[in-house]
Amino acid sequence: GIQVEQSPPDLILQEGANSTLRCNFSDSVNNLQWFHQNPWGQLINLFYIPSGTKQNGRLSATTVATERYSLLYISSSQTTDSGVYFCAVLGGTSYGKLTFGQGTILTVHP
Amino acid sequence: DTGVSQDPRHKITKRGQNVTFRCDPISEHNRLYWYRQTLGQGPEFLTYFQNEAQLEKSRLLSDRFSAERPKGSFSTLEIQRTEQGDSAMYLCASSLTTEQYFGPGTRLTVT
Repeated sequence: GIQVEQSPPDLILQEGANSTLRCNFSDSVNNLQWFHQNPWGQLINLFYIPSGTKQNGRLSATTVATERYSLLYISSSQTTDSGVYFCAVLGGTSYGKLTFGQGTILTVHP
Repeated sequence: DTGVSQDPRHKITKRGQNVTFRCDPISEHNRLYWYRQTLGQGPEFLTYFQNEAQLEKSRLLSDRFSAERPKGSFSTLEIQRTEQGDSAMYLCASSLTTEQYFGPGTRLTVT
């Protein structure tokens, strides 16, 4: 099956810093989503981005499908950005199975 | 527009007991998914329904697990003869297209 690798596994920032999270995947995809998991376990949708670039406030994402990677940018980080960020892909042969990476644990200190 | 809801939010059970979880998708979403997440890992796919048809099942869904979506609306996930290894967060998601939206999860603890 498709493999998803996220880096870095852990990231510690001071408030106000910028960061880039990376997601590599091993095969063509029909869907790629970025999620933020809050301390209560809820997965919050950040981006639906199988290709191209999107921006939402301080967050933006870029997926280069031909090179099989996606990047999530967080600018001017805030303590509320802390949590786990997951990349998940829908492989070309599946209609429903999202395959998740292991996540990046982000900690933003005041 | 309410999101995906799951019930119960927490369940503590003794090894060997049966448990059932419920998921109510976003209204008009015809696709429904179940995932399981253990500590420190990303969610793992269990099964997928389109309307009432179960179209995809993971090998993680052993004989002790069964999922249903009888009328194409809410879904139930039952675990029979629970084992300590079943302790996890069980997540439900729904979609109209391929973008999936997740519920708050049911945290199962097997003692």
